[in-house]
Amino acid sequence: SYVLTQPPSVSVAPGKTARITCGGNNIGSKSVHWYQQKPGQAPVLVIYYDSDRPSGIPERFSGSNSGNTATLTISRVEAGDEADYYCQVWDSSSDPSFGGGTKLTVL
Amino acid sequence: QVQLQESGPGLVKPSQTLSLTCTVSGGSISSGDYYWSWIRQPPGKGLEWIGYIYYSGSTYYNPSLKSRVTISVDTSKNQFSLKLSSVTAADTAVYYCARVNYGSGSYLVDYWGQGTLVTVSS
Repeated sequence: SYVLTQPPSVSVAPGKTARITCGGNNIGSKSVHWYQQKPGQAPVLVIYYDSDRPSGIPERFSGSNSGNTATLTISRVEAGDEADYYCQVWDSSSDPSFGGGTKLTVL
Repeated sequence: QVQLQESGPGLVKPSQTLSLTCTVSGGSISSGDYYWSWIRQPPGKGLEWIGYIYYSGSTYYNPSLKSRVTISVDTSKNQFSLKLSSVTAADTAVYYCARVNYGSGSYLVDYWGQGTLVTVSS
């Protein structure tokens, strides 16, 4: 299976920029999707195809993907952004996989 | 608006079979545009794919669970189901059903059920 590696935790002060990484072998050649999960809730798609935002997701959320690392960037972080974030990859050359998840803490 | 709802026992005894059903509303499983998936999350841990099914009945199972998993579909009821046999405490988790969308060579989950906690305990 295709292994995706995320840092267990990221901390950021309100108003600053948070960057959550997702590492994988030549991940830049794949499409990466990102989900936000708040306690007791199902995950919600926040970024798809590396950098596209579903309707209703603030422009503060953006994504990039190159080389061996994909990155979810959250600008002007708010308290309401505190959640677990998961990256996901699945295409014709790899089985479906999630990263281990990153807990974003807003200080 | 598509909605998915899991149903089934919240408590299963060790060595027995876990059975869950997902009812889809607001869209037809038979449309052929999507895959229908089960994903689980043990308490305090990350997400794990269990498998998926296409309306035609073709399936994929996570290799680590393949020997114990069966996913089936009932298009007449707009439902799909999960059976996981020989369960242990390690199978205690929130189980989500989900719709998988395909485009540009990649698959993603665009709709999730609310999730249902299944506890394996005697």
